[in-house]
Amino acid sequence: DTAVSQTPKYLVTQMGNDKSIKCEQNLGHDTMYWYKQDSKKFLKIMFSYNNKELIINETVPNRFSPKSPDKAHLNLHINSLELGDSAVYFCASSPSAGLLEKLFFGSGTQLSVL
Amino acid sequence: AQRVTQPEKLLSVFKGAPVELKCNYSYSGSPELFWYVQYSRQRLQLLLRHISRESIKGFTADLNKGETSFHLKKPFAQEEDSAMYYCALSGRDSNYQLIWGAGTKLIIKP
Repeated sequence: DTAVSQTPKYLVTQMGNDKSIKCEQNLGHDTMYWYKQDSKKFLKIMFSYNNKELIINETVPNRFSPKSPDKAHLNLHINSLELGDSAVYFCASSPSAGLLEKLFFGSGTQLSVL
Repeated sequence: AQRVTQPEKLLSVFKGAPVELKCNYSYSGSPELFWYVQYSRQRLQLLLRHISRESIKGFTADLNKGETSFHLKKPFAQEEDSAMYYCALSGRDSNYQLIWGAGTKLIIKP
């Protein structure tokens, strides 16, 4: 019974392609996040949605577009993939924005752009 | 500038030895500090936070505001402690979002 599930776990694709990563949480949380972990293991927030509304939008290329059809889902679509997009992307959720001690992470999606 | 620094990328100690994972931060206000852990093939999860002042799995961390540090300590390391450890902070200045350190890989040798 996975609380935060991301698909796919691994994604290998060519430069220039468009791809999506899906995230679903069954915890009843209001807030969902996308984090990027680069090759140096730095974790950086990209986006955060609270009840389907965008509340955090860090400096991320506009090739990255999050979509939240409902509060249990936050998908990440990436257009025109570049080599530098290779990273591990983590989805997370929390009961509300700022309730970080209850932040729950997905297992990550390893994206490799060739 | 808000920043979390974990100076060691890799820390290797023998089983039974004391462990200290360093974390220093730069923040103008009063942050909340966290330690997260990621065991092999598992998801990132909260280990402890300074507000709760608890010991989890034998680990403790004390917030030292004078030295702006939040080092993670355990007196006797166990093999199952091998993992990636991240220090993070949150506060009003970061819009209550987490600012992460780069992580320290802890390896416990038998």
